[in-house]
Amino acid sequence: AQTVTQSQPEMSVQEAETVTLSCTYDTSESDYYLFWYKQPPSRQMILVIRQEAYKQQNATENRFSVNFQKAAKSFSLKISDSQLGDAAMYFCAYWGLDGGSEKLVFGKGTKLTVNP
Amino acid sequence: NAGVTQTPKFRILKIGQSMTLQCTQDMNHNYMYWYRQDPGMGLKLIYYSVGAGITDKGEVPNGYNVSRSTTEDFPLRLELAAPSQTSVYFCASSALSGQGVETQYFGPGTRLLVL
Repeated sequence: AQTVTQSQPEMSVQEAETVTLSCTYDTSESDYYLFWYKQPPSRQMILVIRQEAYKQQNATENRFSVNFQKAAKSFSLKISDSQLGDAAMYFCAYWGLDGGSEKLVFGKGTKLTVNP
Repeated sequence: NAGVTQTPKFRILKIGQSMTLQCTQDMNHNYMYWYRQDPGMGLKLIYYSVGAGITDKGEVPNGYNVSRSTTEDFPLRLELAAPSQTSVYFCASSALSGQGVETQYFGPGTRLLVL
C-alpha cells in the first residue's frame, strides 16, 4: 500500500516569514498526483496546490509553492509571506494506484501556527 | 454552484442506532468518496463510487454501507453505531478527464459522536 509521511507534527512561523512543510511518499508507480490540503479550525478540507508527477516544473499558487523531487519521493510545501489566516492543519496527499485501484492517501498532517 | 454539501453538520447517536449521512454535489462529477478523520489523523477512505450504480470499498468499510442511485447523491449509512465510529466524516467528489483524475472537492464534514 502507498504511504504518505509527514514528519513534522507541528510547525510554527512568524507572520510574514517563510515556512516549509515536509512530505515524503512511497510508491512504485510512475504516474500519480500529489496534493496539499489545508484544514482550518472549521474542519473543511481546502485544496492548496496540486502537482502531476509527470511534470518536472514545480507547481505554484500565489504564496504557495512546492519542491517536488520525484526520485527522492519528496513533496514539500513552501508558504511565503505567512499570514495569520494560514494557521491550520496541512495534509499531504498522494493519488495513484493502491491495491489495484486509484485512491487518495493522506499523511497524518502538520499543524501550522502563525505567530503575530 | 454549492459544490459538495453534507448534512447533518453534527449528530449524537446512541450505541446500536442507525443513521444516514447525506452528501450531494452539483458539479456533475463522476467520482464520489466518503472519508473519516479520527482525531490527530489524516483521512481514511471508507467507500467510493465511480458513477451512478457503482460503488466500491475503501480502506475502512466495515460498519458502513453506501448507495449511488444518482450522479448527485452519495449517502453513507451507519448500521448499529459503535463508539469506534465517532469521527468526522467527509464527502468528496471529483471529475475524470482524459488527462487523469481531477482534484477532489470536499464537503464541510459531519461530526458524529456515538455514546
